[in-house]
Amino acid sequence: EVQLVESGGGLVEPGGSLRLSCIASGFIFDDYAMHWVRQVPGKGLEWVSGLSWQGYSSGYADSVKGRFSVSRDNDKNSLYLQMRSLRIEDTALYYCVKGRGYWGDPLDIWGRGTMVTVSS
Amino acid sequence: HTVVTQEPAFSVSPGGTVTLTCGLRSGSVSDDHYPSWYQQTPGQAPRTLIYSASVRSSGVPDRFSGSILGNKAALAITGAQTDDEAHYYCVLYMGSGNWVFGGGTKLTVL
Repeated sequence: EVQLVESGGGLVEPGGSLRLSCIASGFIFDDYAMHWVRQVPGKGLEWVSGLSWQGYSSGYADSVKGRFSVSRDNDKNSLYLQMRSLRIEDTALYYCVKGRGYWGDPLDIWGRGTMVTVSS
Repeated sequence: HTVVTQEPAFSVSPGGTVTLTCGLRSGSVSDDHYPSWYQQTPGQAPRTLIYSASVRSSGVPDRFSGSILGNKAALAITGAQTDDEAHYYCVLYMGSGNWVFGGGTKLTVL
């Protein structure tokens, strides 16, 4: 069974940093692109970032470009999201999502998310 | 700035059929956008219903179907059940690894 477990969320002040982690199991991690998608409570979904199977190609939403950085460690079956210069509007539930292929393939399985709250 | 459009809300009677759409404010949706549909019920993570416009994800009932209708992607639910009451989101691939979600449709079954 595919499982994605996010961690690292919490309360941080505006301008601060946070690193999210996602540990994957139940599939060959380094065969698939991975993504982060966020959701403000009660609002819609926003794709945040994606990373190809080997980590050579990445993409970012305009709202986080230059502040967030995605990475992966295929030896540890882990995906990361380094978030810097956090803003109040970054407050959301962050989901780790498995892609269906190497890169540019649809989003597939979702984790349960980790909550990030940016507040003073 | 790409905007993906969805109906904010829709209502369907139990046993009825409803078609939700996913469009682009500027331009047409095609297979090249790999439109996908996700269902989210309160307190739960989204689950994939349809990907690549019309491919049903594993375990999804065949009352859910996807297609390209004119210049939009469409999700049809036939024989709607009360369990289908949820938010439905579409997402489109915009190239260079970037995806854009629509605002979602809140479906009421009553």
